[in-house]
Amino acid sequence: DAGVIQSPRHEVTEMGQEVTLRCKPISGHNSLFWYRQTMMRGLELLIYFNNNVPIDDSGMPEDRFSAKMPNASFSTLKIQPSEPRDSAVYFCAVDEQFFGPGTRLTVL
Amino acid sequence: SQQGEEDPQALSIQEGENATMNCSYKTSINNLQWYRQNSGRGLVHLILIRSNEREKHSGRLRVTLDTSKKSSSLLITASRAADTASYFCATDARGIQGAQKLVFGQGTRLTINP
Repeated sequence: DAGVIQSPRHEVTEMGQEVTLRCKPISGHNSLFWYRQTMMRGLELLIYFNNNVPIDDSGMPEDRFSAKMPNASFSTLKIQPSEPRDSAVYFCAVDEQFFGPGTRLTVL
Repeated sequence: SQQGEEDPQALSIQEGENATMNCSYKTSINNLQWYRQNSGRGLVHLILIRSNEREKHSGRLRVTLDTSKKSSSLLITASRAADTASYFCATDARGIQGAQKLVFGQGTRLTINP
């Protein structure tokens, strides 16, 4: 098993553009989490899924953010339109033990 | 908020010395976990300690938990240069439908000097 896979690893985009971050979780785990990490705010939970169902999205900062998990092997986090303050590293994790390598997003 | 708060924010020691990092939290927990993050990388789970446990060991790592003081400590013995990283504690919060979610502290930046 290759672990949690995230793509892209780095993304640079311009303000106003749509950004889609992807996560392929480890099979056999029921919960999937999206986190955002910045120097100022540390690690913040954005949303988590249990059995592919969104359970708690209270951490999603604005309506510009949306997340889906169409099946147990894939999840996306979308930002539309993106803003410079969205620049951060976004992590996908399964359960509480397995984190992906993260996507470093820079919005210019 | 159940956010854990690490102390100190930064720690610099010589290789071979022991490193101790502390974490305090605000409300009751089921368990507390410690993670390591190397620069530019994802988080690596180190150890989980349950609320009914007081101490746990894993290799050179020793974690203690004092629920009466709502605090935990992570001790790394005989530190190595490769231990240079940020260390985070995370406390659990039971979400809707039983799914567990974590609340992370701000982390301690540990530097091991050769």
